[in-house]
Amino acid sequence: DTAVSQTPKYLVTQMGNDKSIKCEQNLGHDTMYWYKQDSKKFLKIMFSYNNKELIINETVPNRFSPKSPDKAHLNLHINSLELGDSAVYFCASSSAGAYYGYTFGSGTRLTVV
Amino acid sequence: GESVGLHLPTLSVQEGDNSIINCAYSNSASDYFIWYKQESGKGPQFIIDIRSNMDKRQGQRVTVLLNKTVKHLSLQIAATQPGDSAVYFCAEVTGSARQLTFGSGTQLTVLP
Repeated sequence: DTAVSQTPKYLVTQMGNDKSIKCEQNLGHDTMYWYKQDSKKFLKIMFSYNNKELIINETVPNRFSPKSPDKAHLNLHINSLELGDSAVYFCASSSAGAYYGYTFGSGTRLTVV
Repeated sequence: GESVGLHLPTLSVQEGDNSIINCAYSNSASDYFIWYKQESGKGPQFIIDIRSNMDKRQGQRVTVLLNKTVKHLSLQIAATQPGDSAVYFCAEVTGSARQLTFGSGTQLTVLP
């Protein structure tokens, strides 16, 4: 039973295309996140949703739009893909609380050509 | 802005030796710290955490030390095994949104 699952695992697409990455968690957590990991392994938060409400929205191009249909799902849609969007995108979830770690998915490797 | 950093980007140790991975943080308001392990092709995996009201916490073969005076965090791995080879991240939790901010990672390589 995968706790945080992302699809697809690999995504290769041309510049200018629009693509979506899906994420689902079965942990009963109320908060979900999207992180971007660059080629140097640096992990940076992009968005966070708590009970379907956007609570963290870092400086990210507005071509990136998160959508949370319910608290178990958080999808990431990217419009007009650019070469610099190539990275590994991780979904994570946690329970709102002062001392609680995040559980991460296995990542989606996006390659824009 | 505030950031979490690591002293060494790479670390190589002999199998069976102890490993120490260091991390410096700059946000004095951080009250919770976590170490994550990321193996190739996988997402970060929780190893151990520590609250700011503690200075040491032990797990199975791992120990985290927190020195708030110098804003330093370390992860000690006892009797390092080949399966410990991975990138290790320290992360701090801050703010009402409990945002997790990662350091830049250390690549640990275990030599046979």
